[in-house]
Amino acid sequence: GDSVTQMEGPVTLSEEAFLTINCTYTATGYPSLFWYVQYPGEGLQLLLKATKADDKGSNKGFEATYRKETTSFHLEKGSVQVSDSAVYFCALSSSGGSYIPTFGRGTSLIVHP
Amino acid sequence: NAGVTQTPKFQVLKTGQSMTLQCAQDMNHNSMYWYRQDPGMGLRLIYYSASEGTTDKGEVPNGYNVSRLNKREFSLRLESAAPSQTSVYFCASSEGQGDYGYTFGSGTRLTVV
Repeated sequence: GDSVTQMEGPVTLSEEAFLTINCTYTATGYPSLFWYVQYPGEGLQLLLKATKADDKGSNKGFEATYRKETTSFHLEKGSVQVSDSAVYFCALSSSGGSYIPTFGRGTSLIVHP
Repeated sequence: NAGVTQTPKFQVLKTGQSMTLQCAQDMNHNSMYWYRQDPGMGLRLIYYSASEGTTDKGEVPNGYNVSRLNKREFSLRLESAAPSQTSVYFCASSEGQGDYGYTFGSGTRLTVV
């Protein structure tokens, strides 16, 4: 079945550092890939998505590229801010899973001033 | 826009009590979902409704029932609460199934004592 593996956290960075959160997946067919962000005490918010190989999703300075050859969708940001501190979830949706998204376990990001 | 509204935000139940968690969306979305979020477990799907008039079990349906009251509303019922159901519950909606992202509510924090 479908699965998503994220790097374990927490990831701790200083403000303005470069961020990478790794995400790899296993899926049948050609899944759509997503990143969600959850701020403390809130629900998840869709951050970005990509629906086919080599697509790049981007939003709020975050980017992720759909890499079919390495089955990866790593999240990156060039310069993080304290306000980016949150939990980030990678997810996929595929026909093999009846299009019900499969979520990774989440990666906590802590950004210090 | 309200998006996805969940009520209540917090609830404490005694073992064996029943309650219904309410969820409503105002985006004219076809599909709605109930998840629970537990530390270290990520998000687990309880039930979903692909369209008005249909409901299906997710990964962890035992101890829960759902009702898709109309296109806007999707409720989750605990008939006889157990301490193992202590969790944060999220409702989500999407335009349909596929490469649509989800919109999440802000969650209900439930404690069963």
